[in-house]
Amino acid sequence: DAGVTQSPTHLIKTRGQQVTLRCSPKSGHDTVSWYQQALGQGPQFIFQYYEEEERQRGNFPDRFSGHQFPNYSSELNVNALLLGDSALYLCASSLASKATALSLHFGNGTRLTVT
Amino acid sequence: QKEVEQNSGPLSVPEGAIASLNCTYSDRGSQSFFWYRQYSGKSPELIMFIYSNGDKEDGRFTAQLNKASQYVSLLIRDSQPSDSATYLCAVNSGTYKYIFGTGTRLKVLA
Repeated sequence: DAGVTQSPTHLIKTRGQQVTLRCSPKSGHDTVSWYQQALGQGPQFIFQYYEEEERQRGNFPDRFSGHQFPNYSSELNVNALLLGDSALYLCASSLASKATALSLHFGNGTRLTVT
Repeated sequence: QKEVEQNSGPLSVPEGAIASLNCTYSDRGSQSFFWYRQYSGKSPELIMFIYSNGDKEDGRFTAQLNKASQYVSLLIRDSQPSDSATYLCAVNSGTYKYIFGTGTRLKVLA
């Protein structure tokens, strides 16, 4: 039973560039949430996707966008990268019909470094 | 005031002792509370969740919730060196997002 998989594991980009991060949810899950975790901080909610729509968004600028595909996998796109975007990006999948984080499963994350 | 506050630590306890981790939250409408463990360089993994006031025990772990004081804690009995990690407190107010604290780093000394 495959868990949440994220790719790539590490990424180095230059300021101003654009990046796409990918996530495949745990088998049977239909909801994907993205979190940003800066060094020494807790994860910060970016947004959640369900039925290919953004269902809720955290306090992140429009430079952060996403997409969910019919197979429930998801992408996180960040445009015009800033140094402050350097962080661990975590994808978490869950099942919409189940309540709360009982079913919130995190992937291993993508470490993004912006130089 | 931060929405979820934790002491960053490190909290150092000897092997076999009880580790006590604390978390306060600001939203009185918060409904569910979670403790995650995160090893360095790894993703968070759920340890326990609690919804109602009082204690909830699972093996060596006990979560305690006091909604009147807006306080949630995690006790780890018989601490082991393998428990050394960062412990994240997360709160949900009935929406789709979880608000995390900055985490408390626990060191269990052998």
